[in-house]
Amino acid sequence: DAGVTQSPTHLIKTRGQQVTLRCSPKSGHDTVSWYQQALGQGPQFIFQYYEEEERQRGNFPDRFSGHQFPNYSSELNVNALLLGDSALYLCASSLGQLAKNIQYFGAGTRLSVL
Amino acid sequence: KQEVTQIPAALSVPEGENLVLNCSFTDSAIYNLQWFRQDPGKGLTSLLLIQSSQREQTSGRLNASLDKSSGRSTLYIAASQPGDSATYLCAVRRGQKVTFGTGTKLQVIP
Repeated sequence: DAGVTQSPTHLIKTRGQQVTLRCSPKSGHDTVSWYQQALGQGPQFIFQYYEEEERQRGNFPDRFSGHQFPNYSSELNVNALLLGDSALYLCASSLGQLAKNIQYFGAGTRLSVL
Repeated sequence: KQEVTQIPAALSVPEGENLVLNCSFTDSAIYNLQWFRQDPGKGLTSLLLIQSSQREQTSGRLNASLDKSSGRSTLYIAASQPGDSATYLCAVRRGQKVTFGTGTKLQVIP
């Protein structure tokens, strides 16, 4: 049973470019959340997708957008990249939106913006 | 706005010692609290999840407690081992939003 998988593992972009990160949830999970983790910090919640809709959003600008597909996989898009967007981007999946459901995390995508 | 604080930021102990990691949060209206482990450059591994109605959870050498009214949780690690070296993060959930602390970096010295 595959866990949460993210691609790519590493990515280097320059300022102003656009990037797309991908996440496949754990088998049977239908809810995907995205987090940004800057170096030495805890993860910051970006947004969550359920039933192909954004359900909750953290304090991130509109440059950050996402999508969830019918197979529950998800993409995170970041436009007009800034140096400060350099971080580890984590995807987490869970079954439904009940608070008792544990979130399982992927290994992350490390984005470097030069 | 929920704020989560973890003290200490870093901890170094000799192998075999019992240790306690602390997590505090400002808004006690949480659904649950979760402890994670993160190895350098890696994702998060869930260790323990405590629902708001529970007081503690145990898994092997790990025990986590939750005092929601005072906004505190502790993670107790018994008989620490070098393999326990990692960053430990706590996260509180309210609705669909999860707020993480900045973590405690633990080093267990053989």
